Amino acid sequence: AQTVTQSQPEMSVQEAETVTLSCTYDTSESDYYLFWYKQPPSRQMILVIRQEAYKQQNATENRFSVNFQKAAKSFSLKISDSQLGDAAMYFCAYRSRYKLTFGKGTLLTVNP
Amino acid sequence: GAVVSQHPSRVICKSGTSVKIECRSLDFQATTMFWYRQFPKQSLMLMATSNEGSKATYEQGVEKDKFLINHASLTLSTLTVTSAHPEDSSFYICSARENAGHASGNTIYFGEGSWLTVV
Repeated sequence: AQTVTQSQPEMSVQEAETVTLSCTYDTSESDYYLFWYKQPPSRQMILVIRQEAYKQQNATENRFSVNFQKAAKSFSLKISDSQLGDAAMYFCAYRSRYKLTFGKGTLLTVNP
Repeated sequence: GAVVSQHPSRVICKSGTSVKIECRSLDFQATTMFWYRQFPKQSLMLMATSNEGSKATYEQGVEKDKFLINHASLTLSTLTVTSAHPEDSSFYICSARENAGHASGNTIYFGEGSWLTVV
C-alpha cells in the first residue's frame, strides 16, 4: 500500500519570505501523480500544484514550486513570497489509478 | 472550472436516525466519486470509492451497512449514514473524478464538505 509522510506538523514563515514543506512517499508503482492541496479554515480542498511521475521537470505554479526527487521518493513544496492568504493546512497526496492517499498535513502559519 | 457541490453543508440529526449527504458534479460527468471523513486537525480518510451503476468499494474498517453509498447517475453520489450515533459526528468530503482521457491523469475535484453532528 502507498503511504505519504509529512514530517512537519506545523511550520511558520514571515510574510514575503520563502518556506518549504516536506513530503515523502512510498510506492512500488511507476505511474502515479503527486499533489499538494491547501485546506483553509473553510475546509474547501484547493489544488495547489500537481506533478506527473514520468516528468523530470519540477512543476511550478506562480509562487508555488516543487522539488520532485523520484529516486528518493521526495516531493517538497516551496512557497515563495509568502502571503497571509497562504496560511492553511497543506496536504501532500499520492495518486495511483484508483485513489488518492493523503499525508497527515502541515499547518502553515504566516506571520505579518 | 468544474464544480462539485455537496449538500447539506451542515446537518444535525438525532441519534438513531439516518441522514443523507449528496455529492453532485455540476458541469462534468463522473463515473467515480470518493467519500472521505475528516476528524478535527486530522487528514482526510478515504471511506469508499463510489462507482456509477455498481457497488461501492469500501476501505478496510469502514462499515458498509452503516455508510450506504449510492451512485445512481454520472453526476450524483449519495452517502447515507444509517442509525447515526454521536461518534459519527464528523466532516465528510466527497470528490469526483472527471471522465476524460487516461484515468490516472483525470482531474479530481472536491466538494465543499458536510458537517454532520449527531445529538
